Amino acid sequence: KAGVTQTPRYLIKTRGQQVTLSCSPISGHRSVSWYQQTPGQGLQFLFEYFSETQRNKGNFPGRFSGRQFSNSRSEMNVSTLELGDSALYLCASSSGLATNEQFFGPGTRLTVL
Amino acid sequence: AQSVTQLGSHVSVSEGALVLLRCNYSSSVPPYLFWYVQYPNQGLQLLLKYTTGATLVKGINGFEAEFKKSETSFHLTKPSAHMSDAAEYFCAVSHILTGGGNKLTFGTGTQLKVEL
Repeated sequence: KAGVTQTPRYLIKTRGQQVTLSCSPISGHRSVSWYQQTPGQGLQFLFEYFSETQRNKGNFPGRFSGRQFSNSRSEMNVSTLELGDSALYLCASSSGLATNEQFFGPGTRLTVL
Repeated sequence: AQSVTQLGSHVSVSEGALVLLRCNYSSSVPPYLFWYVQYPNQGLQLLLKYTTGATLVKGINGFEAEFKKSETSFHLTKPSAHMSDAAEYFCAVSHILTGGGNKLTFGTGTQLKVEL
């Protein structure tokens, strides 16, 4: 089975711009979660999508949003970028059952200048 | 609330020596616990997980971890370190969420260095 893929791998944006990141989960997986990884805050949960619906949300401002398509692919959008949004954004897929492990993609490295 | 504490942000061992990475958790319900490894410029790779059953869990690359409820610990070990084990290791606890599904809460990570 192919793993989780994320595009693009690297992005450079300037403050005030908006950005869209994409994630394709493992075939058959219906749940996609997004995490932000920074040196200062570590790994933090952004949100989870399951069957095209946002099922859970972390403690991030409304500038962070996402969606999931019928094929389970997911996109994450960040509007009005701030310097502090520079991070590695990781997508994880799972079957959606609460006890199942999450499989991570390689991440998208976002740099905000 | 559930949380994870990893003792030691940096651990250095000699090649062939025992690897011990410490993880303690806090959970009001029986926890689901995971260890992930991250190599530079890569995502997280699952090493092993504990859900229920046998408390000694074996994972990939010769790693194993033991769930000790009395000590609220889930330490990761490997009998003999290899240079390729140099990476950052994360312990995580799974939260079952009211909306269904789960989210992972991670420790701050331990950077493992393996020296010749």
